[in-house]
Amino acid sequence: AQKVTQAQTEISVVEKEDVTLDCVYETRDTTYYLFWYKQPPSGELVFLIRRNSFDEQNEISGRYSWNFQKSTSSFNFTITASQVVDSAVYFCALSEADSWGKLQFGAGTQVVVTP
Amino acid sequence: DSGVTQTPKHLITATGQRVTLRCSPRSGDLSVYWYQQSLDQGLQFLIQYYNGEERAKGNILERFSAQQFPDLHSELNLSSLELGDSALYFCASSEQGVGETQYFGPGTRLLVL
Repeated sequence: AQKVTQAQTEISVVEKEDVTLDCVYETRDTTYYLFWYKQPPSGELVFLIRRNSFDEQNEISGRYSWNFQKSTSSFNFTITASQVVDSAVYFCALSEADSWGKLQFGAGTQVVVTP
Repeated sequence: DSGVTQTPKHLITATGQRVTLRCSPRSGDLSVYWYQQSLDQGLQFLIQYYNGEERAKGNILERFSAQQFPDLHSELNLSSLELGDSALYFCASSEQGVGETQYFGPGTRLLVL
């Protein structure tokens, strides 16, 4: 069963618009970790953010921010004032405490930023 | 640059053949993970090693095997290759394991003809 759902397949925006990527996860563990990774056209996977299940404080890091809500099992990610270089596939991932380090990825959301 | 290296970058081979993918983790990292990314399956966890020992297994085929050596580099062996094995294979590393950020290598793109 899919444990991480990214319902948005593709989002297209014009530069300087904000982009919010949705992620819904499923787990029975009380201890778990959530991640966002970016995969630009060059193909590598770049780590963006990490959150553990005990810290629901939402933060902003530069143009990135995230909204973690345990009540709805969601871990949404926002890019503020998007730039062309933000064009990439963004993956949400879940790591459960009893699965050693295994990351379970969502299907990814393609973000296209046009000038 | 994540500090994780993978070789080769590209590999083209024929069905039935065997290949070996190599990964060197970041300095100080003891855990190595292998993932497969394909169009139909997405990003799938294959296997994890910690300090030379297998720790977790995912959707890894019996035709595939891996190991981690004393110097902590890891190799993923793919044998009796089929067309469907064509994919991007990523290696990642972390300091220990559970809950830590995994840093990914650039991947090896395998094409089976």
